[in-house]
Amino acid sequence: GDSVTQTEGQVTVSESKSLIINCTYSATSIGYPNLFWYVRYPGEGLQLLLKVITAGQKGSSRGFEATYNKEATSFHLQKASVQESDSAVYYCALSPHMGYKLTFGTGTSLLVDP
Amino acid sequence: ETAVFQTPNYHVTQVGNEVSFNCKQTLGHDTMYWYKQDSKKLLKIMFSYNNKQLIVNETVPRRFSPQSSDKAHLNLRIKSVEPEDSAVYLCASSYDWGEYAEQFFGPGTRLTVL
Repeated sequence: GDSVTQTEGQVTVSESKSLIINCTYSATSIGYPNLFWYVRYPGEGLQLLLKVITAGQKGSSRGFEATYNKEATSFHLQKASVQESDSAVYYCALSPHMGYKLTFGTGTSLLVDP
Repeated sequence: ETAVFQTPNYHVTQVGNEVSFNCKQTLGHDTMYWYKQDSKKLLKIMFSYNNKQLIVNETVPRRFSPQSSDKAHLNLRIKSVEPEDSAVYLCASSYDWGEYAEQFFGPGTRLTVL
């Protein structure tokens, strides 16, 4: 079946520093999967941060970027300068091409030190 | 306010009891989902309903049963809970069940089985 791997369970970054959260995936269905980053801020529900449905494309939102790399099967999340308000749990996810079922990674908790 | 609402936030119970969790969405969506997030932070889909019809039923124990009175509500009942049912249960909804439909999540219900 499909799977998503996030190797870092927790990341601590100082404010204004750059960030990268790693995500790799494995998809068994036909065609390239759709890729997502979801974020859960403290006390709130999961919400979509960005999505990319075309291999090779980049998605961006709220200063975050992620590039769909089909050769490396990766979808790393990056931000050039983090803020304290970015502290949250970030989940990488995929859905199969022509499908809707989301498969999530285990999440990466980001703590931004002021 | 338009969102996905879940009650209760927390529930502690003993092995063998029955529990029921409520989910309501005010987004006007046709599709609703239940996910389980276990102690390893893995988030997995359990059920999906589209217009009150069950469209996805992953391999979950028979003691779990979804209940939908209308397309804005999708409750989850667990008969005779077991320790491995301790988890966070997330409800979500989307406009439809196509591959591009963004899912909106509730804050979750944390179940602890003693």
